[in-house]
Amino acid sequence: DAGVTQSPTHLIKTRGQQVTLRCSPKSGHDTVSWYQQALGQGPQFIFQYYEEEERQRGNFPDRFSGHQFPNYSSELNVNALLLGDSALYLCASNLGGLAGNEQFFGPGTRLTVL
Amino acid sequence: AQSVTQLGSHVSVSEGALVLLRCNYSSSVPPYLFWYVQYPNQGLQLLLKYTSAATLVKGINGFEAEFKKSETSFHLTKPSAHMRDAAEYFCAVSDPRLGSNYKLTFGKGTLLTVNP
Repeated sequence: DAGVTQSPTHLIKTRGQQVTLRCSPKSGHDTVSWYQQALGQGPQFIFQYYEEEERQRGNFPDRFSGHQFPNYSSELNVNALLLGDSALYLCASNLGGLAGNEQFFGPGTRLTVL
Repeated sequence: AQSVTQLGSHVSVSEGALVLLRCNYSSSVPPYLFWYVQYPNQGLQLLLKYTSAATLVKGINGFEAEFKKSETSFHLTKPSAHMRDAAEYFCAVSDPRLGSNYKLTFGKGTLLTVNP
């Protein structure tokens, strides 16, 4: 079982550019959540996808958008990058059906905006 | 809205000593509570979770936590620290009413250092 995988591992962009991060959930999982972890902070919830739809969203601007594919993999897109978007972006997956089912986290993508 | 406060951004203990990492939560409904560990350059790994069953929860690697509703606390303990326990620890809360489509609200984390 490969667990949650994310690509790329690291990414360097400049202000104003756009970026796409990718996530493959743990085998059998159908729900994907994205979190942003700034340096020295806890992860903050961005949004969650289930059945290819955004189920809920955290307090992030519309520059942050996502997508879920039929195979449950997901993308996170960020437009018009700001220096403050530099962070570790974590993807988590879980299996729908029961409250409290464990969210499994991937290793993250480290985004640096210069 | 839910929130988590982790008291102490950095805790240092000697190998073999008791580990106590503090977590207090705020929630308008009885919450689900989680402790995650993050090793350098890695994602988060679940240590244990409270989902309204037994208030004393045992997790992996010898950790346990006790849910105390009256104190709105969910402190993480381990009787004897090992060098391999050095990592960052995050307490998180979720709303059970969201079912499996829950989101986690994390504290700012506590960095645990274990001295030989």
